Amino acid sequence: KQEVTQIPAALSVPEGENLVLNCSFTDSAIYNLQWFRQDPGKGLTSLLLIQSSQREQTSGRLNASLDKSSGRSTLYIAASQPGDSATYLCAVRDDYKLSFGAGTTVTVRA
Amino acid sequence: NAGVTQTPKFQVLKTGQSMTLQCAQDMNHEYMSWYRQDPGMGLRLIHYSVGAGITDQGEVPNGYNVSRSTTEDFPLRLLSAAPSQTSVYFCASSSGRGGSPLHFGNGTRLTVT
Repeated sequence: KQEVTQIPAALSVPEGENLVLNCSFTDSAIYNLQWFRQDPGKGLTSLLLIQSSQREQTSGRLNASLDKSSGRSTLYIAASQPGDSATYLCAVRDDYKLSFGAGTTVTVRA
Repeated sequence: NAGVTQTPKFQVLKTGQSMTLQCAQDMNHEYMSWYRQDPGMGLRLIHYSVGAGITDQGEVPNGYNVSRSTTEDFPLRLLSAAPSQTSVYFCASSSGRGGSPLHFGNGTRLTVT
């Protein structure tokens, strides 16, 4: 059974600092890994999708890396802004099933 | 193009009542799934479908029923609601297996008293 862990559970940083969010998974036989953002009381917004054959994906200030052999992914958010405050979830896809971590709640202080 | 649409947004039920959560997608996606989200536990897969007429159980299927008569719709039925089913429910779809990204609806917040 795939287990996905996100550490830390919560993070508070001053505006402008770079954010580093970690995700680890136990079974490396995955199709892809997806990072989501969730605002309070809202749905999930897909940020980045990394296929199992890729090492990283970038979109604007966001960069996600994937090391499948060690079961790790890292989401980097450069020059954080108060609008980046949200919960970030990672999920790994095993054929049709998606396994989620519990998320990291980020607060960016102005 | 509306994406994944869930109704209702909010629902309150009494223990023992039944109801159906609706999910529809307009992207012609083969794969659809239902998740529940509880505090501190992330999202857990309830049921999924890989095409019309084909469904399978996920991690937490007990107390829920699904069917897939069309490509567009994937309703989730609560047969006899229990307080343990108080949660936020999300429907998701993708174009196929493996490498396709999942698209999520905005969720249904269900309270069972």
